[in-house]
Amino acid sequence: KAGVTQTPRYLIKTRGQQVTLSCSPISGHRSVSWYQQTPGQGLQFLFEYFSETQRNKGNFPGRFSGRQFSNSRSEMNVSTLELGDSALYLCASSPGSGNEKLFFGSGTQLSVL
Amino acid sequence: QQPVQSPQAVILREGEDAVINCSSSKALYSVHWYRQKHGEAPVFLMILLKGGEQKGHEKISASFNEKKQQSSLYLTASQLSYSGTYFCGTSTSGTYKYIFGTGTRLKVLA
Repeated sequence: KAGVTQTPRYLIKTRGQQVTLSCSPISGHRSVSWYQQTPGQGLQFLFEYFSETQRNKGNFPGRFSGRQFSNSRSEMNVSTLELGDSALYLCASSPGSGNEKLFFGSGTQLSVL
Repeated sequence: QQPVQSPQAVILREGEDAVINCSSSKALYSVHWYRQKHGEAPVFLMILLKGGEQKGHEKISASFNEKKQQSSLYLTASQLSYSGTYFCGTSTSGTYKYIFGTGTRLKVLA
C-alpha cells in the first residue's frame, strides 16, 4: 500500500505570493489533516477534511485554506505569503472514524523570502 | 490549549530508561504518541483511549491518567534507534482533531 504523498517536497516563494500544496492520502482513507511544523512550536493543527467537507479547523488566519476532492486528495492554499509562513507543512491521513492512528506524509518545506 | 510536554530534551546512554510526560488543561478522550526522526515524517507509536488500559510493547509503553489529564511514555533499555523527537497528540470527546505538544527531543548515545 502506498503511503501518504505530498508534493512538492520543497518550495521557495517570496512575500505576497500564494502557494498550493498537495496531499494524496492512503487509498481508502477519507480523512486528511494538515499541520504546520516550526522549530519550537511543534505541530500546529490547521484543518481536517472528511468526505470533501471541512470537519475541524485550527486557529490560523483566513489566508490558510484547503479543500478535499472526491478521491480524498487534498490541497492546501496559502495566500499573501508572509515570512512567518516558512515551515514544514505535513498532511496526515486516516480512515476518518475517529481516534485512529494518523499516517503522515514527508511534508512540504516552504521557504518564504 | 496545546498540551505541555516535559522534558523538552533528554540525552541518554544506551540501556538507560526515560519517561516523557504530556499534560493537558482540557479533559481528554484520547492520547496519541508519535516519533519523528530528523527529516522524516512522524511515525505512530500508540493510542491510549479514555477508560483503556496501559498500552505498549516490551520496551516502549504508555499510560493515561484521565483524572489528571496526563499521559506518560516509558522508554525502557533505550536503543540508538529511539533517538528522535516524540510528540503527544490529544483529542477531546466528539472531535476529530488532534492537538500536538511541542515535542521532546531524545538522543541516545552509544
